[in-house]
Amino acid sequence: GENVEQHPSTLSVQEGDSAVIKCTYSDSASNYFPWYKQELGKRPQLIIDIRSNVGEKKDQRIAVTLNKTAKHFSLHITETQPEDSAVYFCAASKPSSASKIIFGSGTRLSIRP
Amino acid sequence: SQTIHQWPATLVQPVGSPLSLECTVEGTSNPNLYWYRQAAGRGLQLLFYSVGIGQISSEVPQNLSASRPQDRQFILSSKKLLLSDSGFYLCAWKLLAGQLNTEAFFGQGTRLTVV
Repeated sequence: GENVEQHPSTLSVQEGDSAVIKCTYSDSASNYFPWYKQELGKRPQLIIDIRSNVGEKKDQRIAVTLNKTAKHFSLHITETQPEDSAVYFCAASKPSSASKIIFGSGTRLSIRP
Repeated sequence: SQTIHQWPATLVQPVGSPLSLECTVEGTSNPNLYWYRQAAGRGLQLLFYSVGIGQISSEVPQNLSASRPQDRQFILSSKKLLLSDSGFYLCAWKLLAGQLNTEAFFGQGTRLTVV
């Protein structure tokens, strides 16, 4: 089945610097790659997603890139702010009736003031 | 608009006791439904998913079971809890638009502590 690897598990960056989280997936049939942000004790919430027919997508300070050939995708957060501190999960999903969403293990991002 | 309700928010249960967590979705029909577990400081592990009433698929052999008695109701159960069942349980739903994948929405989660 699908497997999603995520790195790093923890990341600490200075406020204002950029943060990059990387993921790889195993199933070449996956075509949807969402990123979720989970604040402490709360539910994960979608922050950005990308489909396999595009290589990059940007939304203000957040961008995601996808390399289908290498089967990896990355989240980029620029000009980090204290409220960016959270756990971030990447995920992959295939086009099927079940449409299971397989998550990476998460990255705990801390923004240093 | 669509909403998802999950309860209870927290639960402390003794080892060997039964478990029932309920999740309901409002404002949509025929959603795909999912149960995930998140151990402390860990990722989201898919436990069960359902594409329709009475249709349950299990991802990981374990001490838990799931049922979908109604279109928008998803229940996670156990006959006898183990210490290792402790964790943060999340219900989620999503719609399928043909072959087009869409965003999944999560419930607020249930923090289960087995003592």
